[in-house]
Amino acid sequence: QKEVEQDPGPLSVPEGAIVSLNCTYSNSAFQYFMWYRQYSRKGPELLMYTYSSGNKEDGRFTAQVDKSSKYISLFIRDSQPSDSATYLCAFRKYNFNKFYFGSGTKLNVKP
Amino acid sequence: EPEVTQTPSHQVTQMGQEVILRCVPISNHLYFYWYRQILGQKVEFLVSFYNNEISEKSEIFDDQFSVERPDGSNFTLKIRSTKLEDSAMYFCASRDTGELFFGEGSRLTVL
Repeated sequence: QKEVEQDPGPLSVPEGAIVSLNCTYSNSAFQYFMWYRQYSRKGPELLMYTYSSGNKEDGRFTAQVDKSSKYISLFIRDSQPSDSATYLCAFRKYNFNKFYFGSGTKLNVKP
Repeated sequence: EPEVTQTPSHQVTQMGQEVILRCVPISNHLYFYWYRQILGQKVEFLVSFYNNEISEKSEIFDDQFSVERPDGSNFTLKIRSTKLEDSAMYFCASRDTGELFFGEGSRLTVL
């Protein structure tokens, strides 16, 4: 079983839609949960960082963590064409340095 | 806003040549990383560095690779004898205690 599973997409939505992006993980030692946005040929840009179950909101973005189900989500409200990118989930274990990345979901928001 | 800077942005080299990729992490950060991403594929962990030594490395990070923090600001990745399959984007990243921040990457093309 892979440690991190993420649907590669592509996911295509109309402008203004609510987008839901998801990752599952198998390692219960993961304690830190992140979402990154990556535009083509650019570095990943941190969107959300959390270390507890529940929801965290920042503007149009909401990160949701369910540790019991080993499942994290990123919701994007009122999606814009500029949100078109690849979204990566990432995880880290407590007291370890390595970050584990999902393979990324490619999102296309159509005007 | 502080950022991770990487040079060069693009390097073309011949197979068998040595390459050094340079990074300036965010100034108060303590943990440094190199990741790579082959075109269209996932972000792969290479190595993490803390307190002037390697703290973790992946199976990709073999004897052809080395890292160094030659002074208080730079962090370098050296590939001793490049192979065709080393062609990729190489991302430097750094963190303090929490979130991981990436540079824009160095694109390495091995001919």
